[in-house]
Amino acid sequence: DTEVTQTPKHLVMGMTNKKSLKCEQHMGHRAMYWYKQKAKKPPELMFVYSYEKLSINESVPSRFSPECPNSSLLNLHLHALQPEDSALYLCASSLRASGSGELFFGEGSRLTVL
Amino acid sequence: SQQGEEDPQALSIQEGENATMNCSYKTSINNLQWYRQNSGRGLVHLILIRSNEREKHSGRLRVTLDTSKKSSSLLITASRAADTASYFCATDADTGNQFYFGTGTSLTVIP
Repeated sequence: DTEVTQTPKHLVMGMTNKKSLKCEQHMGHRAMYWYKQKAKKPPELMFVYSYEKLSINESVPSRFSPECPNSSLLNLHLHALQPEDSALYLCASSLRASGSGELFFGEGSRLTVL
Repeated sequence: SQQGEEDPQALSIQEGENATMNCSYKTSINNLQWYRQNSGRGLVHLILIRSNEREKHSGRLRVTLDTSKKSSSLLITASRAADTASYFCATDADTGNQFYFGTGTSLTVIP
């Protein structure tokens, strides 16, 4: 299984809602990532988890809250988002967070904040 | 957090022609990777080149790396309509645990 699965594929939420994005991989990878991608822009790194511990937070606003319950799962909890947070949210994994291997991406969750 | 810049921003070629895109980055790296993204989809890894390598081939792909100029190029030979996509270079930071993507090149291959 070489897949990273993200759910939901599409999400529409209001600014007062609380929702979560989920990501799952069963490749035994020990590093997982959240990226945010706006239209016609490159993915921007948000968070890196290494061995289930948060190792990188790229100064992301606290309305985005990551969680890594176990080595296969990565969540991104969303609360009080703004319309400018509308984007494609991409989850990725790699064997280790050492920079020596490739990233495997999910298909993304397209978020629209009204 | 954006590490690299790519040019051209957009490239349109006829099927069968070669496509070359360039990536420049700012800091020391351990390796550089290239990814492809079809519209609205996830990214797919194409090739990785380590900082001590100068050239690498994979099928119709040829990647070069010049660490003295902090630049890399991706050549796609004998392009096909299915190669139409955005192409991004990605570099890891010195610490090795952060991957940053370049601005991307949008490639259109006309059948």
